[in-house]
Amino acid sequence: EVQLLESGGGLVQPGGSLRVSCAASGFTFSNYAMSWVRQAPGKGLEWVSGISGSGGSTYHADSVKGRFTISRDNSKNTLYLQMNSLRAEDTAVFYCAKDVYSDYPHYFDHWGQGTLVTVSS
Amino acid sequence: DIVMTQSPDSLAVSLGERATINCKSSQSVLYSSNNKNYLAWYQKKSGQPPKLLIYWASTRESGVPDRFSGSGSGTDFTLTISSLQAEDVAVYYCQHYYRTPQTFGQGTKVEIK
Repeated sequence: EVQLLESGGGLVQPGGSLRVSCAASGFTFSNYAMSWVRQAPGKGLEWVSGISGSGGSTYHADSVKGRFTISRDNSKNTLYLQMNSLRAEDTAVFYCAKDVYSDYPHYFDHWGQGTLVTVSS
Repeated sequence: DIVMTQSPDSLAVSLGERATINCKSSQSVLYSSNNKNYLAWYQKKSGQPPKLLIYWASTRESGVPDRFSGSGSGTDFTLTISSLQAEDVAVYYCQHYYRTPQTFGQGTKVEIK
């Protein structure tokens, strides 16, 4: 059974940094691209960042480019999102999502339960 | 970026009746080399993560009830719930994956009338 467990969310001040993680199990992690998708309070879904199965290619939405970095450790079956220069508008539930292919983000067949990131002073 | 626009923003349907949600992309998401539409649909219930319903515009994900169906091509797509059940109350999102950034529609809230 595929399981994705996010962790690392919390309260951070504007301008601060936070790293969220996603521990994956139940599938061959390195064979699949992974993404982070967020949902701000009362808002819709927004794709944030994606990474190929090998980790060699990464993709970021313009709204986070230069501030967020996606990475993965295939030896630990773990996905990461390093978030710097956080803004109030980054407040959201961040979901880890498994892709169906290995190369670049397509659609997502499994999702974690999400971790809440709150940016506030 | 490709902009995805859903309509309506919300709809209320009686139990057992049909619900229809539309999704329009600002550019075609039909890839000519393989004749596939790079379009997925998700269901999101309050407090739960999204659930994949449909991919390639019309292929139902394993385990999804057959009352859910997807159609359309190019820039215009539809998700149909043929006979609304109480457990279908949720927000539904379309998403293109034609290229990065993959973008979602704004969501359509489905309620019981």
